[in-house]
Amino acid sequence: QKEVEQDPGPLSVPEGAIVSLNCTYSNSAFQYFMWYRQYSRKGPELLMYTYSSGNKEDGRFTAQVDKSSKYISLFIRDSQPSDSATYLCAMSGGGGSNYKLTFGKGTLLTVNP
Amino acid sequence: EAGVTQFPSHSVIEKGQTVTLRCDPISGHDNLYWYRRVMGKEIKFLLHFVKESKQDESGMPNNRFLAERTGGTYSTLKVQPAELEDSGVYFCASSRLDSPSYEQYFGPGTRLTVT
Repeated sequence: QKEVEQDPGPLSVPEGAIVSLNCTYSNSAFQYFMWYRQYSRKGPELLMYTYSSGNKEDGRFTAQVDKSSKYISLFIRDSQPSDSATYLCAMSGGGGSNYKLTFGKGTLLTVNP
Repeated sequence: EAGVTQFPSHSVIEKGQTVTLRCDPISGHDNLYWYRRVMGKEIKFLLHFVKESKQDESGMPNNRFLAERTGGTYSTLKVQPAELEDSGVYFCASSRLDSPSYEQYFGPGTRLTVT
C-alpha cells in the first residue's frame, strides 16, 4: 500500500466551478499536510499547509485534514483558468525524518473558460 | 531574492554515460534536498544535506548516484553509469536551517532522458 494515494485525474471543470481534490494516506505519524501547485515545466509551489487536523482557509482555497480517516482535501471556490495546473498533496512529520516530504501522484486540473 | 536554480533544464544521454546535475539553493539556505519524479510515479525523496553534510540519503536508489555539496553551497548529483530507469525529473529544494518541513522551495527541475 502506498503511503499517499491521490487520484491523478485528469479533472476538467468550467470556470466558476467548485473543485474538490483529495488524498488518503496510511502513515499515522504524518503531522504536516501540504498542497502544492505545479505548472508545466515548473517546480512545485506551496499553496497551503495544515498542521494536524482541522480546516484552513486562504482566499478561494480551503484545506481540510481528517486524521481519524487519514483523508485530506483541497477545495477551490470560483475556479479560474489560471488555476489550471497539477495539484500535489504532500505530507511530513513523525520520528526523525520530519523534513522529508511524501507526495501523492498529483491531480491534473483544467479550468475551462 | 533569486529562487532555487537547476542546471541543465534538460539532458539527454545514452545508457552507460555519465550525467551531472547541479542545484544552486536560495542564498542562506543550509538545507538542501533532492527529489525525483519518474514518469507515472509520485515525486520521491532522494536525500537531504545540512550544509555540506549528508543528513539522510535513504532515498538514493543505488550506488550509481552520488550527491555532493562541497562548501555547503551548490550541490551536484552525478549518475554514473546512467540506466534507462533513471529517466525522470530531478528536483532540488532548499530551506533555512530551522524551517519547518513545509517551507521547502523547489527549483524547476532537470528533465533527464536516458536512451
